[in-house]
Formats: sequence, C-alpha cells, structure tokens
Amino acid sequence: GENVGLHLPTLSVQEGDNSIINCAYSNSASDYFIWYKQESGKGPQFIIDIRSNMDKRQGQRVTVLLNKTVKHLSLQIAATQPGDSAVYFCAVISGGYNKLIFGAGTRLAVHP
Amino acid sequence: DTGVSQDPRHKITKRGQNVTFRCDPISEHNRLYWYRQTLGQGPEFLTYFQNEAQLEKSRLLSDRFSAERPKGSFSTLEIQRTEQGDSAMYLCASSTLGGLGQETQYFGPGTRLLVL
Repeated sequence: GENVGLHLPTLSVQEGDNSIINCAYSNSASDYFIWYKQESGKGPQFIIDIRSNMDKRQGQRVTVLLNKTVKHLSLQIAATQPGDSAVYFCAVISGGYNKLIFGAGTRLAVHP
Repeated sequence: DTGVSQDPRHKITKRGQNVTFRCDPISEHNRLYWYRQTLGQGPEFLTYFQNEAQLEKSRLLSDRFSAERPKGSFSTLEIQRTEQGDSAMYLCASSTLGGLGQETQYFGPGTRLLVL
C-alpha cells in the first residue's frame, strides 16, 4: 500500500518569509498528488494539485514541486501570512476509486 | 454556501449508544467519500459511493458502521453500539473532475464525535 509522510511535524516562520513543507510517498506508481490546508475545527481545504507528468505547478502564492526520482513533493508558500497558520497535509490518490491517502500533517505557525 | 455540508457538527454520546451523521455533497457531484480523522493524524478513508452504489469499504469500517446514499444525493453514516475508540472527526467529501482531468475531493466541515 501507499505510505505518505511529512518531514516535519511543526514549522515556525516569520510573517513575510517563504515556507516550505515537504512530503514523501512510497508508491512510484502514484500519479496524482494534492495539498490540503486544515484550520482548527474545519475540514481540509483544497490548495493545489499536481500530476506525475509535471514537475511544478503554481497557484496564488503557492507552488508545488514534484520529484518523482526520490518520491518527494513540497509545498512552497510565498510571503507567508498569519492566515496561513494551519495544518498542511499532502495526499496521494490510491486505488481505482480515487481514495486519498494522507500524511500526518505539518503544523505551520506564522509569527508576526 | 454551495459546499459540502455535514450535520451535526458535534455529537457527544455515551458508550453503547447509536449515532447517525448526515452529509450533503455539492449538488452536481456524484462521488462521495467518508473519512475518519483522529487527533494529530491525517484523515483515513472509510467508504466511497458513486451515485447510490457503495463501491468500496475500508477494513476500518467494522460491522458496527453502516453508510448509505439512498438516492445518490445525501449520505448517512451510522455507528451502532459506539465505543470510546470511535471518538474522532468524521469527514465527508464529494468530488468532481478538476482542471488536471482528475477527480478533486472537496471536504465538509466534519462531525466531531465524542464517546464517553
């Protein structure tokens, strides 16, 4: 089966700095990856996704990088703001019915 | 608000009682998923519906758990004879085809269950 993990449980950054959250996966056949943001007491919120035929995808202030060689993806948040404080999960599609396999999450704390 | 909705948002029950949660997906989404999330962990897949058909169930879904989606719209998740280990956030998601040609799942706010 698929194992998804994150490299750090907690990341603290200063407001305005860039944040990088990392994630590793185990199944080289995985071909779709998603980053979710979860604020306290809320459900996960879709941020950005990427397919295995891509190395990089950009959204508004966020960039996802995929390195298939080492089975690693990262989420970069530019000019981190206090509203970015949350737990961030990477997730991988697994199986024929598109169920998501989530990592444990990284808590991002943004300090003024 | 046209997002996924769940009811109730919070439920406190005593061990041995039955509970039922409801999920209303985004209206045009025909795929619906249930996940369970315990404190400090990522969500874990429980079950999946395409329209009214339940097509996959996790082994996490013991025989005390049952899910339905009778008309292919809203779904219910029932837990019978609740145990303290059932305490968790129960999340519902529905999906549609995203910009990359892949189903993208959108989550509701969850139902937080506490079994005393």
